[in-house]
This record gives sequence, structure tokens and C-alpha cells, in this order.
Amino acid sequence: TQLLEQSPQFLSIQEGENLTVYCNSSSVFSSLQWYRQEPGEGPVLLVTVVTGGEVKKLKRLTFQFGDARKDSSLHITAAQPGDTGLYLCAGEGLQGGKLIFGQGTELSVKP
Amino acid sequence: GAGVSQSPSNKVTEKGKDVELRCDPISGHTALYWYRQSLGQGLEFLIYFQGNSAPDKSGLPSDRFSAERTGGSVSTLTIQRTQQEDSAVYLCASSSYRGPAFFGQGTRLTVV
Repeated sequence: TQLLEQSPQFLSIQEGENLTVYCNSSSVFSSLQWYRQEPGEGPVLLVTVVTGGEVKKLKRLTFQFGDARKDSSLHITAAQPGDTGLYLCAGEGLQGGKLIFGQGTELSVKP
Repeated sequence: GAGVSQSPSNKVTEKGKDVELRCDPISGHTALYWYRQSLGQGLEFLIYFQGNSAPDKSGLPSDRFSAERTGGSVSTLTIQRTQQEDSAVYLCASSSYRGPAFFGQGTRLTVV
């Protein structure tokens, strides 16, 4: 069974601080996706990474896929209160295409 | 439609009653997922449909839960004899094969 472990589970920081969220597995994934969910809404896709070692930037967010395609990280620079939400990573298994979700990281950015 | 549509958006039911939750996926998406999310928690996988393959039901918590997908499109999640612990937000998502998932707004189920 493929599993994704996210850490930390909860993160409370002050506006302007930097943070990194990790998504780790012992399994290889074809691709990995990051989603953000705000209260009362469904998760919304932020990015998909496909190639080992790939780095993608989305404004102040930097996503990295591990060389072995088993792990990923999300780094936020100068966090803002608008970044508050639940961040979820999801890996696409090598067979069948089913997405495996991590448990999520609840981020709170205080002004 | 433009996105994944779920109905109803809110459902309050009495303990012991059956409920049906509906999901209209994005047209052409072959994969459909159901997840359950309790307050402040991550996503609990329930069931996965992919094309004409047998669904992956490994996440259904008990035999009170069932789901079907008719004609490869609309899906219905049925919970029989609801219990208070079934109270949660039920999220549906669809994707093209090996594509990212697009989620609906969810159905908030409250069992009283």
C-alpha cells in the first residue's frame, strides 16, 4: 500500500516568516500534486510535479519533487494571512492512476 | 458542466435514516473519487472509480456505505442507517486518467 506522510501536521507562524511542508513516502510516484483547501471549500490544485528533481515556483510558493520521486516539499516565503489553509499533497501511483493523499498540513499565518 | 457539482450542499438527517449524496463530475473525466473529511482533518479515502474497471472500495468504513456510478458519469454515495459518527463533509472529485483531481464543494452531512 502506498502511503504519503506529511509534516508538520499543524503549523502556526507570524506573517513574514518562511516555512516548509514535507511530503514523504517509501514508494515512487508517477507525479505529485499539491492542493490548498480553505474552510467550506473543496481542495484546489496548486501544482503538479512530474520529473525527479523538478522545481516549480508559484509566486512565493516553491515546490520541489525529490530526485527519486518519493518525496516533495512546499516552501512558502514571507507567509501572509491569505496563505492560511489546509495544504495537501497527493501522489499518483505507478499503476492505475489512483491518487494517494497525505494527511494534510493545517497552516495558520497570524498578522 | 464547468466543474464538479455535488448535491445537496447540506443535509441534516435523523439517526437511522438512509441518505444519498450525489456527484456530477466534469464531463469526460474517467476517474471519480469520494472522500470524507471531519472538522479540521485531512481526507479519508472512501471509493475510487476509473472507467469501466471494478471500483476500489477499500476505503468504505462499513457495509452501510455504498456507491455507484451510472453510465460512467454521475455517482451516488449511499449511507444506510446513518449514525452520528457519519457526520462529516463528503467530497467528490473527478479527474481525467492520470490527471489532477478537481473537487466539488462537498456535502456537509449532519446526523442528529
